[in-house]
Amino acid sequence: AQSVTQLDSHVSVSEGTPVLLRCNYSSSYSPSLFWYVQHPNKGLQLLLKYTSAATLVKGINGFEAEFKKSETSFHLTKPSAHMSDAAEYFCVVSYSGGYQKVTFGTGTKLQVIP
Amino acid sequence: EAGVAQSPRYKIIEKRQSVAFWCNPISGHATLYWYQQILGQGPKLLIQFQNNGVVDDSQLPKDRFSAERLKGVDSTLKIQPAKLEDSAVYLCASSLKGFGQGEVGYENIQYFGAGTRLSVL
Repeated sequence: AQSVTQLDSHVSVSEGTPVLLRCNYSSSYSPSLFWYVQHPNKGLQLLLKYTSAATLVKGINGFEAEFKKSETSFHLTKPSAHMSDAAEYFCVVSYSGGYQKVTFGTGTKLQVIP
Repeated sequence: EAGVAQSPRYKIIEKRQSVAFWCNPISGHATLYWYQQILGQGPKLLIQFQNNGVVDDSQLPKDRFSAERLKGVDSTLKIQPAKLEDSAVYLCASSLKGFGQGEVGYENIQYFGAGTRLSVL
């Protein structure tokens, strides 16, 4: 069984300040972890993925995430928020055991204040 | 490359009516997924196809929902009859593989369509 918990449903930051979106997971197996972003009326877009090659993963648009097995966390960060980062972010855990089993978190809505 | 295409973008129906959604995945992608995303929630997997076979439909309400992918390419999802609680965005995604043991590689990354927003009145 696997699950993912996004600890904040809403996060508000000022433009130019750091972003931290928190995600904790549980999985019976070694998981793969993803962050997806969803802009209003747009499809989900992959930001970055972790598949055990390196614990610090860099994604698009300056985002990165660090896999911490001891804390079962995969938090998403960005040093400086931009207005265009305002969107909903989903943490996803996946395991491939025959076929890929995917579980989405409930999402974190990021607001960026000018 | 062309992305995942879905239609229609929006649909409004009355309860107890029927509705169908269509999805055309990225060319060559073997795996196709249908998700239901209720407002304020994360996407929930309804059904997963590997080519034209179903590998997971454990969360599909089979008394009213059905889906097919006859030629292993495009797919339709149908609701008959619709209920108020079916109001949601229905997302289609595809991946190159979607199967295999162990960690998920690039072949398993899911690409999403823009979704169909269904309102049941």
